Amino acid sequence: DGGITQSPKYLFRKEGQNVTLSCEQNLNHDAMYWYRQDPGQGLRLIYYSQIVNDFQKGDIAEGYSVSREKKESFPLTVTSAQKNPTAFYLCASRRGYTTDTQYFGPGTRLTVL
Amino acid sequence: AQKITQTQPGMFVQEKEAVTLDCTYDTSDPSYGLFWYKQPSSGEMIFLIYQGSYDQQNATEGRYSLNFQKARKSANLVISASQLGDSAMYFCAMREVDFGNEKLTFGTGTRLTIIP
Repeated sequence: DGGITQSPKYLFRKEGQNVTLSCEQNLNHDAMYWYRQDPGQGLRLIYYSQIVNDFQKGDIAEGYSVSREKKESFPLTVTSAQKNPTAFYLCASRRGYTTDTQYFGPGTRLTVL
Repeated sequence: AQKITQTQPGMFVQEKEAVTLDCTYDTSDPSYGLFWYKQPSSGEMIFLIYQGSYDQQNATEGRYSLNFQKARKSANLVISASQLGDSAMYFCAMREVDFGNEKLTFGTGTRLTIIP
């Protein structure tokens, strides 16, 4: 089945450690996105990538980094510089035309202890 | 300034009744798109319906319809004949294109609870 996978579903890390969240899609979509969701809030854009080897900062990029070496993969690293990393992280992808819909993965819930 | 406003933090609706979830938006771009997503307790975001700014007719997808009033900058979601499975968070989002980069901006959501 085609879709977007995120792993792991739950992730626990100690404060001060970097952690990488995985996002893979087999939809042959060009664009990929990372969002953060805090309790009772909407989604906020962290980073996005329209094509391989290119990405742009979203509204809350500080303390995060990404790479886009392959079309199907867009991993997000939460660094120790991120002040409050505990949140729900959602990855999305879009085929590539501006009228296309973004489709989401199941999300990763990160808890920093 | 907030670009997407959802003024109803929570709603309770009797099963089988219709429900309207409010969404207003703000943009100066003549070309934009409006989306509604459903987020059940599992967390994933499920796409429901899309309305383009140039679309003449209101979008419909099964029990979902979008009441698009361009002059009032509103894009309300209407769910007909609500079901228990409709209980979830609902988010309105607007797509803007900035120098060729497409981004979605989300509202804060409405928690819908369907009462048996």
